[in-house]
Amino acid sequence: GAVVSQHPSRVICKSGTSVKIECRSLDFQATTMFWYRQFPKQSLMLMATSNEGSKATYEQGVEKDKFLINHASLTLSTLTVTSAHPEDSSFYICSAIDITGGQGDNEQFFGPGTRLTVL
Amino acid sequence: AQKITQTQPGMFVQEKEAVTLDCTYDTSDPSYGLFWYKQPSSGEMIFLIYQGSYDQQNATEGRYSLNFQKARKSANLVISASQLGDSAMYFCAMREGPPRSWGKLQFGAGTQVVVTP
Repeated sequence: GAVVSQHPSRVICKSGTSVKIECRSLDFQATTMFWYRQFPKQSLMLMATSNEGSKATYEQGVEKDKFLINHASLTLSTLTVTSAHPEDSSFYICSAIDITGGQGDNEQFFGPGTRLTVL
Repeated sequence: AQKITQTQPGMFVQEKEAVTLDCTYDTSDPSYGLFWYKQPSSGEMIFLIYQGSYDQQNATEGRYSLNFQKARKSANLVISASQLGDSAMYFCAMREGPPRSWGKLQFGAGTQVVVTP
């Protein structure tokens, strides 16, 4: 149980284009999802908290107009990187919370990540 | 200020040996949770073990155990009988607030573990 998928797993795009990354909870409903960015050999940096049916809460320093988050349903959150530039190249990971709490001690279930390369 | 500190950027450990990964944390919240995750080169985050601030006993999960020293604010991960498949990046993380408060996780910088034959 508690499987989270991300699509695509890998994307290469040209500078200036927009890229959408999907995060889905496959077998549970997730009222809250988190989006992280991870640069090579570094830790996960929380970008924003995505709540179903409401606006995302962005961490300090994260441009909300550049990283658009939409949590339109209880199983899907999307991150759109608008007007992507090479410095946006990174590994983007989402996680989802199963509030039923039926998964033992773990609280956040992570997707497999999306590797974005902007040329 | 850094809330989770992992001071070991990398470690080599021989197969079948035990290894301890250090993690210290900083919080004024009396209720919090500590997590350890493994991230292999594929990038997926694999949950290993959890320790709640009010748990009386140290958490154990198979070959993983957590050495929780609350007064020292440390939560070291011990991997016993290392295997080649344990080679990965290991992250310590903290959630401030009680269990099921669904707060965000704060991660340490990570420790790269390489297990050698």
